[in-house]
Amino acid sequence: DVKVTQSSRYLVKRTGEKVFLECVQDMDHENMFWYRQDPGLGLRLIYFSYDVKMKEKGDIPEGYSVSREKKERFSLILESASTNQTSMYLCASSSTSTGAYEQYFGPGTRLTVT
Amino acid sequence: AQSVTQPDIHITVSEGASLELRCNYSYGATPYLFWYVQSPGQGLQLLLKYFSGDTLVQGIKGFEAEFKRSQSSFNLRKPSVHWSDAAEYFCAVGGYSGGGADGLTFGKGTHLIIQP
Repeated sequence: DVKVTQSSRYLVKRTGEKVFLECVQDMDHENMFWYRQDPGLGLRLIYFSYDVKMKEKGDIPEGYSVSREKKERFSLILESASTNQTSMYLCASSSTSTGAYEQYFGPGTRLTVT
Repeated sequence: AQSVTQPDIHITVSEGASLELRCNYSYGATPYLFWYVQSPGQGLQLLLKYFSGDTLVQGIKGFEAEFKRSQSSFNLRKPSVHWSDAAEYFCAVGGYSGGGADGLTFGKGTHLIIQP
């Protein structure tokens, strides 16, 4: 089974702090994704990556950056956290080489910025 | 731009009754379509997917969905719901660009409530 893990289930940070959210997948997937989930808005794509050191902006990249130094790990960075970044963050991965694009999700990190 | 509409924010169904959750999409090419389920406090679990071929696809937990290109729809169905089906359901559309698989575009979700 594909396993996607996220470093924290719950995180509380202060406004202005730099925040790192870590995601690791164990299935050698090429593609990794970061979404945020807010009530009434569904999931929105922040950034994704096709390969190591590659990154692409999603629909809402403002205020975020990402890093992918190893194939299995994809980090989301909030350079200076703000209260409007309080949300549930979901990481996902998928395989291109199998020809199937379904994404497998981690359990999510609920971030609160105070 | 691609988009997904789930017209029903909440649906209440009696246990044992049939279920249909609606999903309409907008996508410029042949879409890849997915239904995911999210139980409270959990991540998303894939129920089923459609890429090509038979327009009626079977998934896990007794769910099925039918792709209707003429209606741009991909509705999720289950003949008899169980209390454990209470959850949030998301329809999603995605595709493939030259660089690799794109991120998915999700609907806003349908919250399913099961009445005893």
